[in-house]
This record gives sequence, structure tokens and C-alpha cells, in this order.
Amino acid sequence: GAGVSQSPRYKVTKRGQDVALRCDPISGHVSLYWYRQALGQGPEFLTYFNYEAQQDKSGLPNDRFSAERPEGSISTLTIQRTEQRDSAMYRCASSLIFSGANVLTFGAGSRLTVL
Amino acid sequence: AQKVTQAQTEISVVEKEDVTLDCVYETRDTTYYLFWYKQPPSGELVFLIRRNSFDEQNEISGRYSWNFQKSTSSFNFTITASQVVDSAVYFCALSGGSNYKLTFGKGTLLTVNP
Repeated sequence: GAGVSQSPRYKVTKRGQDVALRCDPISGHVSLYWYRQALGQGPEFLTYFNYEAQQDKSGLPNDRFSAERPEGSISTLTIQRTEQRDSAMYRCASSLIFSGANVLTFGAGSRLTVL
Repeated sequence: AQKVTQAQTEISVVEKEDVTLDCVYETRDTTYYLFWYKQPPSGELVFLIRRNSFDEQNEISGRYSWNFQKSTSSFNFTITASQVVDSAVYFCALSGGSNYKLTFGKGTLLTVNP
């Protein structure tokens, strides 16, 4: 597609429910990143993929968070047994190459609210 | 470990003033890349510039200029003759040559008043 597409844009859920956030990167982009941004803070790295391989998941806060990109395109970030502290904007980004020189193109984000 | 510090949380200026946003970074990589992103009130993150560690030439793009100084580990961003449309949160970010994750600072909220 023309840009990075994320869905849902807004998600309100009750504590304890599982949520899945979807990211559709720009066509042909090999790298895909997930970030979390709390209100008034900078984006915080969660994980990234090179094609389907998860290269670094050191930013995932705990084992309730997982991500996959099975065919090297669309990715899903799953949060199990959500807690109120998980409320944030979750941003996906993609880049054409796999390099530190990456220019990341960000999606509009998925705003998660856990009640 | 990589770290980006933006000491200025908020800056408020009057239109047409010049303003400089500070960014200090820490990294053990000898090759690394520095970025600035803009987040306007609409919320999206927009790429502004990328510099690599072996190119210390300053860069100017219209009213925007960037001053990269390796000696002080700084990558400051200046807006000349600021405009109301420049109001946004600006993020400085760093990625390494060995680890490709992008580390962001906490951002500086710039408000340009008419």
C-alpha cells in the first residue's frame, strides 16, 4: 500500500482481555518495527523483524506481549491478559532496507485503552 | 547501550523567532545514525533528517538547519524565523551500526505563538 496501515485505530478493552494489533507495512519494505508511545513520551522500542525473522524483542515488557510476521509482510502484536498500564499508542513502522541507516515510515498508530 | 537526551521538555516562542532544539546522544558504536522526527498535533511521526556518524557537515534545508558535533555528542536542530505551523513535538533518535533499533529521546514540545 501507499503507507503503513494499522488497525484498529482505536481499541477499548477490559482488563484481562487479549488484544491483537495489526500492521500492514509498505509493499516491499523488508523491516518492520513496533513501538509503544505513552502520552507525553517518546516512542519506546518493542521489537523488530527482518522479513519474517524477529531480530530483537528485547523491548517487549513481559511475556504477555508477543509479535509475529509469519510471511514477512503483515505483522500482529498480541497482548494477552491486558492491564491498565498497557494503555498507550502502539506504532508500527517499516523500512525498505535492513540497516542502521533505516528511515522508518510510521503508521498512524493504534490507541489502546484498557479499562 | 544507546541513549538520547532532549533536555528541553517544552519551548515557547513568538512567530519569527529563531529556536534551537538540543539533542545529546550516547553510543558505543563507531558507526551510527542520527535522526529528527516531527510529531504535529495530528499525531503522526514525520521523518525530517538523517545524518551518519562519519559526516559532520552541517545541513540546511530551507528554514531548518542541523548542527552535528561529534566532540560534544550533540545533534541540534535550529528553526529560523519560526512559524505557527512549526508547532509540534520534535524527537531526536539514534540507531547503531550493529543494532538497528531506533532509540528516541523524550521529545521537545515546541509552541510557536502568533
